[in-house]
Amino acid sequence: EVQLVQSGAEVKKPGESLKISCKGSGYNFPSYWIGWVRQMPGKGLEWMGIIYPGDSKTKYSPSFQGQVSISADNSISAASLQWSSLKASDTAMYYCARHAGNYFDYWGQGTLVTVSS
Amino acid sequence: SYELTQPPSVSVSPGQTASITCSGDKLGDKYASWYQQKAGQSPVLVIYQDTKRPSGIPERFSGSNSGNTATLTISGTQAMDEADYYCQAWDSSIAGVFGTGTKVTVL
Repeated sequence: EVQLVQSGAEVKKPGESLKISCKGSGYNFPSYWIGWVRQMPGKGLEWMGIIYPGDSKTKYSPSFQGQVSISADNSISAASLQWSSLKASDTAMYYCARHAGNYFDYWGQGTLVTVSS
Repeated sequence: SYELTQPPSVSVSPGQTASITCSGDKLGDKYASWYQQKAGQSPVLVIYQDTKRPSGIPERFSGSNSGNTATLTISGTQAMDEADYYCQAWDSSIAGVFGTGTKVTVL
C-alpha cells in the first residue's frame, strides 16, 4: 500500500528557517516524482513543484521558484520542502503527493505551518 | 502564466447530475485531472488523464476534455459527494497548475 506520511505541525516566527518532510513507503521511492501543494487558509490548491528522487531533477511553478527549495533523500525515502526565511504569508497547509506523470495519485495528510510573531 | 477557471459553486439535488467546468487556453491539448477535497481532509484523485477513474472511485464520476474546457460530471449525485473539486492541468511548458476550485452542494 502506497503511503505518504508528513512531519508534524510547525509554529515559527518571521525570518526563521524551516524544513518539512514527507516519507514515502509501499513503492519504489526513487522512481516516481513527488511534489508539494500549498493551501492557504480558506483558499484553493496551489501547485508548488516536484522532484524526481532518482536524479534530484526539479520543476517549480514560476510562483514558487526561488521562494522554496525541494529536495529528496533516497536513503530514507523522504522528500523535503524548505524555506530559508519564512514570512507570515507562508502560513498554510502543505501537502506532499506522488506525481504519476501528469497528476498526483497519492497524497500525504498535510503539514500545517503557522508563521506568526 | 497559465490559468484555469472554475465556477465558484454548483448546486445539485440528490440523484441528479452535476457538471463542473474547467476553462483554460487550449486545455484540450493538455492532460486534465480532477480532485475531490472534503472539509478537513487531503485531496483525493477522482479523474486522471482526462477520462480515467482510479481504482475505488465510483462509476458516477466521469470526465471529458476538449477545446478550451474540461468537464467533471457526477451522475446520480449523492450526499457524500458534497465537497470542493479542483481541476489540474499539466504539460511540459507549464508544469502543473490547479483550477480555482468549485464547491459542490447537494441540496
